[in-house]
Amino acid sequence: KQEVTQIPAALSVPEGENLVLNCSFTDSAIYNLQWFRQDPGKGLTSLLLIQSSQREQTSGRLNASLDKSSGRSTLYIAASQPGDSATYLCAVPGDGRTYKYIFGTGTRLKVLA
Amino acid sequence: DAGVIQSPRHEVTEMGQEVTLRCKPISGHNSLFWYRQTMMRGLELLIYFNNNVPIDDSGMPEDRFSAKMPNASFSTLKIQPSEPRDSAVYFCASSSLGLNQPQHFGDGTRLSIL
Repeated sequence: KQEVTQIPAALSVPEGENLVLNCSFTDSAIYNLQWFRQDPGKGLTSLLLIQSSQREQTSGRLNASLDKSSGRSTLYIAASQPGDSATYLCAVPGDGRTYKYIFGTGTRLKVLA
Repeated sequence: DAGVIQSPRHEVTEMGQEVTLRCKPISGHNSLFWYRQTMMRGLELLIYFNNNVPIDDSGMPEDRFSAKMPNASFSTLKIQPSEPRDSAVYFCASSSLGLNQPQHFGDGTRLSIL
């Protein structure tokens, strides 16, 4: 059974700092991994989707890497800003070629001005 | 562009009442997902549709829950009868068809059952 863990659960950093969020999963037979952002009272916003054949994806100040063999992904945020404050969740398919994603519990990020 | 639209945004009702949550997916998206988010269990997939057909409803907690997608632009999630433990935020998401398509979420319906 696929399980997804995110560390740390919460993170507080000063503005401008580079930071790394971690996601680990137990079953490496995934076809992609997604990173989402959730603002309070809002739905999830898809940030990056890494296909199983890829090792990383970049969007602006965000870079996500995927190491399937070790069951790990990292989300790197460069030059953090107060507007980056949100909860970040990763998600992987539960099993096989399915749309049923298993979500981590998230990392709550606060960037201090 | 209009995103995924959910209604109502908030619903407060008494135990035993029927609750209907509504979702309008992004135009052109062929996959639709219903999720539930709670502090205890996090985000869980309840059911998803491809081309208006329910594909996997194994996440639906009980027979009290039902979902329909009568056409490509509308879906409902119904709870009858509702119970206090159904209190949660319910999200609808949609995506283009295909396993490597990002999902787009609505802002959710915050449901409180008294």
